[in-house]
Amino acid sequence: EAGVAQSPRYKIIEKRQSVAFWCNPISGHATLYWYQQILGQGPKLLIQFQNNGVVDDSQLPKDRFSAERLKGVDSTLKIQPAKLEDSAVYLCASSLDPQGGDETQYFGPGTRLLVL
Amino acid sequence: SQQGEEDPQALSIQEGENATMNCSYKTSINNLQWYRQNSGRGLVHLILIRSNEREKHSGRLRVTLDTSKKSSSLLITASRAADTASYFCATDSGTALIFGKGTTLSVSS
Repeated sequence: EAGVAQSPRYKIIEKRQSVAFWCNPISGHATLYWYQQILGQGPKLLIQFQNNGVVDDSQLPKDRFSAERLKGVDSTLKIQPAKLEDSAVYLCASSLDPQGGDETQYFGPGTRLLVL
Repeated sequence: SQQGEEDPQALSIQEGENATMNCSYKTSINNLQWYRQNSGRGLVHLILIRSNEREKHSGRLRVTLDTSKKSSSLLITASRAADTASYFCATDSGTALIFGKGTTLSVSS
């Protein structure tokens, strides 16, 4: 079974530029998550999708971050404009059916973003 | 907001020894999960324990949960160099999964 795919793996940009990350979840997984992990900390949820609808985006800085999940499969996370404090690893995860009792989340390798 | 807090922040042991990590949290939970993260990689799910369970085993892993003390522990027995990684607890209260800052485990041969 293929895991969660993310691209790019690394990205270096200057502040005020824009950047986009892509995620392809495990086939059949209805729920998709984007996390931000700053160095030395645990992942922090940015947004959660159930199919193509947003379940939780309370921690997403909506003035600069946006995310979409087209057709309930792939997802894109965008930052525009980027700030120095956005330097972090952006992790995508998916799960089969958290409402149905299967809460295990499967993580992709992450995209490491450096904002200069 | 940080729900789970792991202790210790860092742990260094020799191969063959046991490693114990603790996690404390603040609010009631549905379940608590432990994840491992190797350097530069994504997180890997290790084990999930529900609020009505007290202990769970998976291979060399043993997890306990004390809801009265709002704490959990992860025991790795007979550690190996390959166990070197960061370990995170994550609490599920029915909304978002909230991760702690993690314990960095170093196992030397």
